[in-house]
Amino acid sequence: KQEVTQIPAALSVPEGENLVLNCSFTDSAIYNLQWFRQDPGKGLTSLLLIQSSQREQTSGRLNASLDKSSGRSTLYIAASQPGDSATYLCAVRDAGNMLTFGGGTRLMVKP
Amino acid sequence: EAGVAQSPRYKIIEKRQSVAFWCNPISGHATLYWYQQILGQGPKLLIQFQNNGVVDDSQLPKDRFSAERLKGVDSTLKIQPAKLEDSAVYLCASSRENEQFFGPGTRLTVL
Repeated sequence: KQEVTQIPAALSVPEGENLVLNCSFTDSAIYNLQWFRQDPGKGLTSLLLIQSSQREQTSGRLNASLDKSSGRSTLYIAASQPGDSATYLCAVRDAGNMLTFGGGTRLMVKP
Repeated sequence: EAGVAQSPRYKIIEKRQSVAFWCNPISGHATLYWYQQILGQGPKLLIQFQNNGVVDDSQLPKDRFSAERLKGVDSTLKIQPAKLEDSAVYLCASSRENEQFFGPGTRLTVL
């Protein structure tokens, strides 16, 4: 059974810092990995999707990497802003299009 | 294109009462999912539909939860009777290929 773990569970940083969120998964037989953002009381917004054959994806200040063999992914956020404050969720997809989520990292960026 | 729609957005009930949630997926998306997200945790898949057939309901507490997707479009999730531990956000998602799109969720509070 796939298990996804995210570290840290919570993170508070001053504005402008670069930061790294970590995600690990137990079964490397994944189809892709997706990073989501969730604002309080809202649904999930997809940030980046990395196919199993890819090593990384970039979108603006966000960069996600994937090391499938070691079961790890990182989400790098450059020059953090208060608007980045949210919960970040990592999810891995199997061949049956089922997503298994981690517990999330709650990020607070202070002005 | 319009996103995944869910209603109601919020619901407060007493334990042992019944409740139903509605989801309208993105047009053309054959696959529909219901997730339960307990506060502070990542979403957990309850049931997956492909058109109007169930693909996976292994984590659905079938003694009290039921779901249907008539005509392969809209879906309803019902809880009868509700327990205190059912308090959570219920998220609906849909997909056509390998990416899921999420609705805003329904926040259920059971008193």
